[in-house]
Amino acid sequence: QEQLVQSGSELKKPGASVKVSCKASGYSFTSYAVNWVRQAPGQGLEWMGWINTKTGNPTYAQGFTGRFVFSLDTSVSTAYLQISSLKAEDTAVYYCARRPAALDYWGQGTLVTVSS
Amino acid sequence: DVQMTQSPSSLSASVGDRVTITCRASQGISNYLAWYQQKPGKVPDLLIYAASTLQSGVPSRFSGSGSGTDFTLTISSLQPEDVATYYCQKYNSAPFTFGPGTKVDIK
Repeated sequence: QEQLVQSGSELKKPGASVKVSCKASGYSFTSYAVNWVRQAPGQGLEWMGWINTKTGNPTYAQGFTGRFVFSLDTSVSTAYLQISSLKAEDTAVYYCARRPAALDYWGQGTLVTVSS
Repeated sequence: DVQMTQSPSSLSASVGDRVTITCRASQGISNYLAWYQQKPGKVPDLLIYAASTLQSGVPSRFSGSGSGTDFTLTISSLQPEDVATYYCQKYNSAPFTFGPGTKVDIK
């Protein structure tokens, strides 16, 4: 069955970097885009952008350019989200999700906590 | 960019009540509208796509309607397990913006 499994929680200091992985299984990885969604504590869902799994071309939402990078390793059916120069306000749960049209399968979420 | 709004921001209803949530897009998006349910502490779940198509496995008490700029999610008979926050999302073109959410609980 289709599944997206994300890497575990991270605790980072301000200024550090983090890389979250999202491993797909149960379907052809390059057949569907991978989207990234952020949810800050007690807040709503925020669409961060997506990556074309056929071409590797990323698209970033406003507010997620510069420090945020989407990448792929298609050999292991995995998408990555890297965030550099972490700030306290980056503390959130980050979700990956498959998008044929709407977001039909979601990873379990990765909590990134930024604290000194 | 197209903005998404939802109303109400929260509601409280009794078990068995009919509940309606509205989502509005600032520009027409045809029927490229999805609804998600997020129970407390859980991952969001796709309920409805293409404005009115029920995702496989979703109970039939959920329904969606609308096209263009105005959309509704209806729960025909609210159940205790429906306590959640509901989000709409446009997906006709990037950015695939979410609405701010509607929190539903039991009176």
